[in-house]
Formats: sequence, structure tokens, C-alpha cells
Amino acid sequence: AQTVTQSQPEMSVQEAETVTLSCTYDTSESDYYLFWYKQPPSRQMILVIRQEAYKQQNATENRFSVNFQKAAKSFSLKISDSQLGDAAMYFCAYTADSNYQLIWGAGTKLIIKP
Amino acid sequence: GAVVSQHPSWVICKSGTSVKIECRSLDFQATTMFWYRQFPKQSLMLMATSNEGSKATYEQGVEKDKFLINHASLTLSTLTVTSAHPEDSSFYICSARSVSPGRQPQHFGDGTRLSIL
Repeated sequence: AQTVTQSQPEMSVQEAETVTLSCTYDTSESDYYLFWYKQPPSRQMILVIRQEAYKQQNATENRFSVNFQKAAKSFSLKISDSQLGDAAMYFCAYTADSNYQLIWGAGTKLIIKP
Repeated sequence: GAVVSQHPSWVICKSGTSVKIECRSLDFQATTMFWYRQFPKQSLMLMATSNEGSKATYEQGVEKDKFLINHASLTLSTLTVTSAHPEDSSFYICSARSVSPGRQPQHFGDGTRLSIL
């Protein structure tokens, strides 16, 4: 069965610094997608970044980038120049399902120190 | 595009009553919708997957008689919490399957905070 593991319940970073959130997953599939979602206090689910497993190049979206290590089944999120608005729960998610059913990690609470 | 509207956003009701939560896809057809429950400081827990015109598929441990799901059209799925009790209080989120997983696999509603007194 596919699983997603986020081993950091909480992380804190000084404003303007860089922080990396960890995510590992387990799957026997070769074709799949990985995502990072942000859930601020408003509890909306916001897609931060996505990675297709067949792509070797790491995805980037402005200050957000991933380190995708397919062999190691690792998918970490790096947030550069952290801002107060980045404070939220961050969830790593996986899908290889034709219904696009997502497998979720437990989440990491990110605290930004001003 | 790809907006999912969830209503109500917050509901408080007495123990023993039934509560209906609506999930609408506003600008696309959603053949598959998902219902999640989220406890404080925890991840999203999939309750069930509903496909338009057929019975929902419930995850293990979810009482189908307690949480009734109807997906009668391509734009509307409903979750009814029957005879709600305080332990049913939670945050419920719906989502709709996207056309393409590479962009965004699911489009999420803003959630419903359910409080049972």
C-alpha cells in the first residue's frame, strides 16, 4: 500500500530565512504525482507545487522548490525567503490512482518567527 | 476556473438532528467527488468517494448509515450527517476530481465546520 510520511510535526524559521520540509513515500508504481499543499488558519487547501514522477527536473514555483529523489522516494519542500504569510500546515500528498485519490502525509506545522 | 463551492461553512445544531452539507462544482462537471474529515491538528481523512449516479464507496471504519452521501448530478454531491452527536463535530471538506492530475488532482471546497451541542 502507498504511504506518505512527514516526520516533522512542527518546524520554525526566522522570517527571510530558508526552511526545508521533509516528505518520504512508499509506492511500487513507476508513474505518479506528488504534491505539497498549504493549509493556512482559514483551512483552505492551497496547492503549492506539484511534481510528475517521470520528470527528473525538480519543480519550482517562485520561492518554493522541491528536491525530488525518486530512487530514495523522497520529496522535500524548500521555502526560500520565508514570509509571515507562509505560516500554515503543509501536507505532502501522492496519487497514482485513476480517480486521482490522494494519499496524505500527517502534515508539518510551519511557524515563521518575525 | 475549477471552483468548488461548499455550503454551509459553519453549522451549529443540537444533538439528534441531521445536517446536510452541499458540495457544488460551479464551472465544470465532477464525475467523482471526495469527502474528507479533519480533526484538529491532523491530516485529511478520506471518508468516501462518490461517483455520479452510483453508490458512494466508503473507507473502512466510516459508518455509511451515519454519513449519507448522494451524488445525483455532475455538479452536486451532498453529505448528510444523520442523528448527529457531539462526537461528529469536526471539519468536513469536499473536493472534486480534476480532469487532469498533473495540474491539480482535486479541487477543494472551503470546508464546513460542524459543531454538535
